[in-house]
Parts: sequence; C-alpha cells; structure tokens
Amino acid sequence: AQSVTQLGSHVSVSEGALVLLRCNYSSSVPPYLFWYVQYPNQGLQLLLKYTSAATLVKGINGFEAEFKKSETSFHLTKPSAHMSDAAEYFCAVSDRGSNYKLTFGKGTLLTVNP
Amino acid sequence: EAGVTQFPSHSVIEKGQTVTLRCDPISGHDNLYWYRRVMGKEIKFLLHFVKESKQDESGMPNNRFLAERTGGTYSTLKVQPAELEDSGVYFCASSGDTYYGYTFGSGTRLTVV
Repeated sequence: AQSVTQLGSHVSVSEGALVLLRCNYSSSVPPYLFWYVQYPNQGLQLLLKYTSAATLVKGINGFEAEFKKSETSFHLTKPSAHMSDAAEYFCAVSDRGSNYKLTFGKGTLLTVNP
Repeated sequence: EAGVTQFPSHSVIEKGQTVTLRCDPISGHDNLYWYRRVMGKEIKFLLHFVKESKQDESGMPNNRFLAERTGGTYSTLKVQPAELEDSGVYFCASSGDTYYGYTFGSGTRLTVV
C-alpha cells in the first residue's frame, strides 16, 4: 500500500523567508502527486499536482514542487513566505488507475512569523 | 460555480446516537468521495461513488457506517450507533469526468461524547 511521509508536523518561518515542506512517497511506480492546503475553517484546496509531465510543477500562490523519482520526493517550496501562507499543507498520492483514491500524509502546519 | 457543500459544519452527539452527514457535490460531478481525519492522524479515504454506485468502499471502518447517494446527486453518510472513536472531521469531495483534482468541501466536524 502507498504511504506518504511529511517530515515535520510543524514548520515555522519568518515572513520573506524560503518555505520548504518535505514529502516522500513509497511507490516504486511514479504515482500522481498532489499538494493541498487547508486554511482555517475552510476545505482542502488543490495547490498543485504532478501527473508525469514536467517534473517541476508550478501551482497557485507562488508555490512549486519538484518531482524527484530517484529520491521518491515531491517537496513543496515558495521563495518568499507571506503571512497569508499560514495554513496546514498536505501531500497526497494516488496510484494510476486507482480511481484517484488519495493517500495523504499527516500534514504540516506552517506558521509565518512577522 | 457553487462548490461542494457539507452540512452540518459541526455536530456534537452522545455515544450511541445516530448522526447523518450530508454532502452536495458540484452539479454534474459524477465522482463523489468521502474522507475522514481523526485528530492527530492523516486524512483517510472512506469511499467513492460514481453516480449512485459505490465504486470503492474499502475505507469504511465498519458496518456502523452507511453511505448513500440518491440519484447520483447528494450523498449522506450515517453513523449508527456513534462511538467515541468516530470523532473527527469528515470531508466530502467531488470531481467530474476529467480529473483536474478534487474539489473538497469544508468538512463536518463530528464530536462524539
């Protein structure tokens, strides 16, 4: 079965600093990969997804993620954090042909300090 | 377009009672999913509908949980009788024929006391 590991349940950065949220997956066959964000009292919003096109994927709000097969990783980055980026971030994978059933990581809570 | 709507947003019930959660997907979306997040754990898949049919219900915890999707439109998830470990946030999501990623609802926070 698929598994997703998000390193760090809580990441704190200063406003303007680099944001790096780590995600590793377990599949030997490259799956579909996703990052979702949940702002307080809201649903999960898709930030970006990898489906086997370009390995560097750009998403909304200035976020991007790079698929690295050799490292089975899909880390999320943003060059400069903004206060509005404070939220919980989830990495998820789905096996191709699984009707897009998602396996999530435990989530990383991002705090942005002024 | 309207998003995925879930209600109630919060529900507090006593152990042994019954609770029904409702999800209204985006109009025209054939695929509807239920997920659950128990406190401190990851979000886990419960089941998947294609129109009114259950495509995959491998994530349903036990037979206290019953999901239905009337006429391929809205869906309900009933928990009967509720247990303490059923507490968590229940998310619904929908997607159309072409997969651009799910649209999630805001979730229902269920607390069983």
